[in-house]
Amino acid sequence: KQEVTQIPAALSVPEGENLVLNCSFTDSAIYNLQWFRQDPGKGLTSLLLIQSSQREQTSGRLNASLDKSSGRSTLYIAASQPGDSATYLCAVRRGGGGNKLTFGTGTQLKVEL
Amino acid sequence: GAVVSQHPSRVICKSGTSVKIECRSLDFQATTMFWYRQFPKQSLMLMATSNEGSKATYEQGVEKDKFLINHASLTLSTLTVTSAHPEDSSFYICSARDRGGPYGYTFGSGTRLTVV
Repeated sequence: KQEVTQIPAALSVPEGENLVLNCSFTDSAIYNLQWFRQDPGKGLTSLLLIQSSQREQTSGRLNASLDKSSGRSTLYIAASQPGDSATYLCAVRRGGGGNKLTFGTGTQLKVEL
Repeated sequence: GAVVSQHPSRVICKSGTSVKIECRSLDFQATTMFWYRQFPKQSLMLMATSNEGSKATYEQGVEKDKFLINHASLTLSTLTVTSAHPEDSSFYICSARDRGGPYGYTFGSGTRLTVV
């Protein structure tokens, strides 16, 4: 059974700092990995999607990497801003044609002025 | 991009009544939609996979008769919480995948259900 863990569970940083969020998964047979952002009381917004054959994806100040063999992904946020404050979730889609996503436990980020 | 609309965003109901939550794919067709439940400060737990024109597939431990799912068209899935109890109070989120898109999942904005 796939298990997805995110470290740290919570993080508070001053504005402008670069930061890294970690996601690890136990079964490396994944189809892809997706990073989401969730604001309080809201749904999920997709940030980046990395296919299993890819090593990284970038969008603006965000960069996500994937090391499938070691079961790890990182989300790098450059020059953090208060608007980045949210909960960040990673989710893996099983390989072999599966449709289901398995979500991580989330990292609650607070960027302070 | 792919958009999933979920209604209502908030609902308060009395114990024993039923509540229906709608999930619509606005600009794409979704043969499969997913329903999740999220408890405070916890991650999303998949409840069931909704299949257009056929029965939903429920995850282990999820009561089929309590959480009725109907996926009658390629753009609409509904989740009905029947005979609701306070312990059903939670945040429910649906998602779907646009097969014509970059293979990612799009999520609705969620429904906060409070049973009093």
